[in-house]
Formats: sequence, C-alpha cells, structure tokens
Amino acid sequence: EPEVTQTPSHQVTQMGQEVILRCVPISNHLYFYWYRQILGQKVEFLVSFYNNEISEKSEIFDDQFSVERPDGSNFTLKIRSTKLEDSAMYFCASGGVHEQYFGPGTRLTVT
Amino acid sequence: GNSVTQMEGPVTLSEEAFLTINCTYTATGYPSLFWYVQYPGEGLQLLLKATKADDKGSNKGFEATYRKETTSFHLEKGSVQVSDSAVYFCALANSGGGADGLTFGKGTHLIIQP
Repeated sequence: EPEVTQTPSHQVTQMGQEVILRCVPISNHLYFYWYRQILGQKVEFLVSFYNNEISEKSEIFDDQFSVERPDGSNFTLKIRSTKLEDSAMYFCASGGVHEQYFGPGTRLTVT
Repeated sequence: GNSVTQMEGPVTLSEEAFLTINCTYTATGYPSLFWYVQYPGEGLQLLLKATKADDKGSNKGFEATYRKETTSFHLEKGSVQVSDSAVYFCALANSGGGADGLTFGKGTHLIIQP
C-alpha cells in the first residue's frame, strides 16, 4: 500500500540554524500539506500546496517558513532560522479532496 | 473560525467494553469530518470519515455519524480490544476543496486494559 514517507525521523539543530524537512507524498496525489504537533498539544495546520503553489497557510506559517516541490516526488519544508519554540513533530500529508494521508513525522529538536 | 472539541482523556476501559469518544465542532458551511488514530510512535492514520450530514463513516469496527443538528461526530465501537489503545483525533475540513487544512481536536488518549 502506498504511503507518505518523511526524512529524517529526528533532527536536532541549534537555534538560528536552517533546517529542511523532507517528504515524499503518495505519487498520484495532488494536494500536499505540512502540520506540526508541539509535545502535548494538538496537531496544527501549517500550509497546503497545490499545482506548484501555496493554496492556504495558517498564522503559524510566517516568513521563516517556506515550502517547495523541487522535483516530481519530493515536498520540503524549510525553516530559515530556527527558534526554541519550533521544537515539535512535523507531519507531511498528501491527498485529494476528502482524504489526507499522513507520514510518520519528523521530530525537530531545537537546542 | 473552525474548532473541534473532544472529550479529554485518558479514557481507560476494559477489553470488550463499549467505547464512545465525543466530538463536537464549530464550522461555517458544511465541513467534512474525520477521525484519525495515532498509535504509539507512529503518525496519524485516517480511521474514518463522513462528508455530509447523516453520513456514517465506519472502519475496523469503529463508526461515527455526522449529526448536523447537534454539530457532533462521536466515535463508537461496540467491543474494544487492547490493540485499540492509541490517541484518537477528531478533525474537520471545510468543504471548499482539497487544499483546506484540517482543524484537529486535542486528541483523546484511549487505554484498553486486558
């Protein structure tokens, strides 16, 4: 069964550094998403991406975040200058109109 | 804006007990409703969904009915197993299209004891 994959599973970085989180969505899906889950809190929507551009973004997705689909398979989330409060589990998802399938997540730890 | 409220956990039950996890929502228009499950150390898995009022979503013995009049989507299972222990998230998406992000509830941690 096709699945969404994410790399790395765990990323540790120092405050102020740039990080890139990578995702390979399910191949025939058209919509791509990023979410985050701070430890002990709810899953929060960051951004959706369709037809090679951002479709919707939340208030969390400020100028320090960017997304890219650099080739036909990968979908990346870049955080330009990480802050301590960016420490969270980041989930990629892909899907169609009524379904979103999630990857296993990348745990980002900012020290 | 959209919001989802679900019962706080943890919910602890014995094996074969009946399960209900309450979920209510606030949204404009006619959202689609979902239940996701997160097993320890894993990502979110879509458990079931309903896209319009009175629809019943079902999967793996779980079911939930989209009740527009009470803005609810309660999750039920007739006989739970130890393997059902996980965190369950209720979520909604606006009906505007696939680009809409999901709005999640806080999650309910379910613990099933043998």
